[in-house]
Amino acid sequence: DAGVTQSPTHLIKTRGQQVTLRCSPKSGHDTVSWYQQALGQGPQFIFQYYEEEERQRGNFPDRFSGHQFPNYSSELNVNALLLGDSALYLCASSLVWGADTQYFGPGTRLTVL
Amino acid sequence: QQPVQSPQAVILREGEDAVINCSSSKALYSVHWYRQKHGEAPVFLMILLKGGEQKGHEKISASFNEKKQQSSLYLTASQLSYSGTYFCGTSDSGGGADGLTFGKGTHLIIQP
Repeated sequence: DAGVTQSPTHLIKTRGQQVTLRCSPKSGHDTVSWYQQALGQGPQFIFQYYEEEERQRGNFPDRFSGHQFPNYSSELNVNALLLGDSALYLCASSLVWGADTQYFGPGTRLTVL
Repeated sequence: QQPVQSPQAVILREGEDAVINCSSSKALYSVHWYRQKHGEAPVFLMILLKGGEQKGHEKISASFNEKKQQSSLYLTASQLSYSGTYFCGTSDSGGGADGLTFGKGTHLIIQP
């Protein structure tokens, strides 16, 4: 049973560029959530996708956008990168109904220079 | 609002017990506990739902006090593998797989 997978593992970008991160949920899961984890901090909720729509959004600017595909995989896009966007980006998958467990992927380490 | 975890850090000898607390100013529906080792993804430990049921798995258990909006994670007879940063994530609605709000974490170091 494959767990949550993310790509790429690491990414280096410069300020002003755009980046796309990818996530495949755990088998059988239909909901994908994205989190940003700065060094030494807890994960911070960006948004959540279910049925190809954004269901919930945390306190992040519109530069952060996403997409969910019919096979439940998801992308996170960040435009006009800032130095402060450097972080570990985590994807978590779950089942939408009930307060279900969220399983995290290994994350993508984004460095903005 | 971000839940508050305490202590911020704790150092134990192998075999000692530890308690990590998580409190919120908002009424909670669920509390989720994770352990994260350096450079790795958070690993799910357990979930506690409104109702105060105490959950356990081997030497790790947790409780949820609805009245106080507090949860505690109990690590009994700690092992070296328990080292890491422990996070509690909270949800205040029962709408299903909601985005979690995480605390800043508790760093646990187990020494031989």
